[in-house]
Amino acid sequence: AQSVSQHNHHVILSEAASLELGCNYSYGGTVNLFWYVQYPGQHLQLLLKYFSGDPLVKGIKGFEAEFIKSKFSFNLRKPSVQWSDTAEYFCAVNSYNQGGKLIFGQGTELSVKP
Amino acid sequence: DAGITQSPRHKVTETGTPVTLRCHQTENHRYMYWYRQDPGHGLRLIHYSYGVKDTDKGEVSDGYSVSRSKTEDFLLTLESATSSQTSVYFCAISESTQVEQYFGPGTRLTVT
Repeated sequence: AQSVSQHNHHVILSEAASLELGCNYSYGGTVNLFWYVQYPGQHLQLLLKYFSGDPLVKGIKGFEAEFIKSKFSFNLRKPSVQWSDTAEYFCAVNSYNQGGKLIFGQGTELSVKP
Repeated sequence: DAGITQSPRHKVTETGTPVTLRCHQTENHRYMYWYRQDPGHGLRLIHYSYGVKDTDKGEVSDGYSVSRSKTEDFLLTLESATSSQTSVYFCAISESTQVEQYFGPGTRLTVT
């Protein structure tokens, strides 16, 4: 079955540190890839998405992600985090052959210390 | 933010009672989804709908049923609530299966 794995469950950084959150998926066909963010007590919001084209995609709030097809990865990055980036981050994948069902990773909780 | 509301936002109920959660959208999107969020599991799909009266099961559908009689409303029913159904429930919508989904504010359900 298709699965999504986020290797970091809890990441703690100081402000201005660089961030990279890992995401790997198991499906080998054509996929769409997403990163969502959930701020404390709020609903999920879309950070960025990849459908096709340039594998380096830029999202909101200075986040970017790189799709590496050979590694089945879609890692999220930000060069300099802020305290306001404290949130839980979810990687999600859907595939053309799965009827558009989104499969989510377990989530990574990011805590940024001021 | 997409026009999605969920009701109620919080509910406490007893084991064995029926519970219905409502998702309402104003975007006229064809697809609607119900997820549950539990620590360490991310979000898991319960049921989804691809049109009025067209629904299908997700990966954790046991104990849940859904109905969609109008484009804008998608109801999730727990026929007989159990403590394992204590969770946060999110509704989502999308225009098609190959684009992003937009999420509602969530319903926190506690089954005692």
